[in-house]
Amino acid sequence: AQSVTQPDIHITVSEGASLELRCNYSYGATPYLFWYVQSPGQGLQLLLKYFSGDTLVQGIKGFEAEFKRSQSSFNLRKPSVHWSDAAEYFCAVGSTSGTYKYIFGTGTRLKVLA
Amino acid sequence: EAGVAQSPRYKIIEKRQSVAFWCNPISGHATLYWYQQILGQGPKLLIQFQNNGVVDDSQLPKDRFSAERLKGVDSTLKIQPAKLEDSAVYLCASSLDVSRGNQPQHFGDGTRLSIL
Repeated sequence: AQSVTQPDIHITVSEGASLELRCNYSYGATPYLFWYVQSPGQGLQLLLKYFSGDTLVQGIKGFEAEFKRSQSSFNLRKPSVHWSDAAEYFCAVGSTSGTYKYIFGTGTRLKVLA
Repeated sequence: EAGVAQSPRYKIIEKRQSVAFWCNPISGHATLYWYQQILGQGPKLLIQFQNNGVVDDSQLPKDRFSAERLKGVDSTLKIQPAKLEDSAVYLCASSLDVSRGNQPQHFGDGTRLSIL
């Protein structure tokens, strides 16, 4: 069965510092992988996705993520965090057949210090 | 393009009452999803529609939850009767057409439901 683990519930970084949010997945094959961001009171916005090909994926707002098959990971990174990046971040695994169902992680809440 | 529209944004009811949520997906999107997001957790899929047919409702508590998507566009999710544990944000999402393969899901802003 597919599953997603986001080990960090909360992360605090200073503005301008680099960021890495961890995501580990369990799936029988190479899954589809996604990162979404959720600001308070809003829905989820897609940051980036991985379907196949280049393992380093560029997204919106300066985010990138790297798919590492050997580690079953899809970590999200940003070289310099802005105060507006404070939000909750969700990693999701999408199945590659059937209903293409998503399973979401429990999220990582990012706090940015001025 | 207009995004996924949901209403109401907030709803407060007492336990054992009924409530309904409405969702209008992005125009042309054949696949529609309802998720439940409990505080501190990720979204959990309740039901997935392909046009007006249900393709996955395995996690929908069918004794109290129901959903429909008449005409394959708008959808409503109903809870009757509500329980305290139903307090959550209910998110609607849509994607182009998963029968053609996996595609990104686009989310509405959700309905926050509080049960007293």
